Amino acid sequence: DTAVSQTPKYLVTQMGNDKSIKCEQNLGHDTMYWYKQDSKKFLKIMFSYNNKELIINETVPNRFSPKSPDKAHLNLHINSLELGDSAVYFCASSYSGRSETQYFGPGTRLLVL
Amino acid sequence: GQNIDQPTEMTATEGAIVQINCTYQTSGFNGLFWYQQHAGEAPTFLSYNVLDGLEEKGRFSSFLSRSKGYSYLLLKELQMKDSASYLCAVRVGTGFQKLVFGTGTRLLVSP
Repeated sequence: DTAVSQTPKYLVTQMGNDKSIKCEQNLGHDTMYWYKQDSKKFLKIMFSYNNKELIINETVPNRFSPKSPDKAHLNLHINSLELGDSAVYFCASSYSGRSETQYFGPGTRLLVL
Repeated sequence: GQNIDQPTEMTATEGAIVQINCTYQTSGFNGLFWYQQHAGEAPTFLSYNVLDGLEEKGRFSSFLSRSKGYSYLLLKELQMKDSASYLCAVRVGTGFQKLVFGTGTRLLVSP
């Protein structure tokens, strides 16, 4: 019954590695998002997709590449991981209307050593 | 630019009332959300305001004044489980919009 799910929940890796995080929603939403929450708990949007089209792309290093194979899935691939990438990454989804609420996944805790 | 300010931390006693303030200066405004986030968990939706005034939902109420760039979240009859971070977020942009979050307020409820 999980609405927005992410895998993996925890990710520990070495600097320089490449890793992917996956997100799936079963709410029938047409818009999905990736957020980064740093150690100070500041939540910042990175990307957003609407019906598989990229609509928001904040100033994120191009080592981060999102991909949406269909409107229920949004993945995030990170190349050449750096120490500063350590954070919690949240996926969220919503309908695209003005007042629509975003629902968040449980988060992926990434630690780069 | 976007600027959303909240107090970093607040403490309160079980059964009391607490008000968490949020002031914002953003380029555009299309609504304000409050989310609750328990430690190690995902943010969960609490309330949404787009017009001036008070929205009440059980023990939680949220107020908005667009002219003052100000909102507050009011929590009544505090319970221990209300210990969490409370995130204020403003929806900005035209067409496809995005949420800009404040830094969050960590609330500690003590017995």
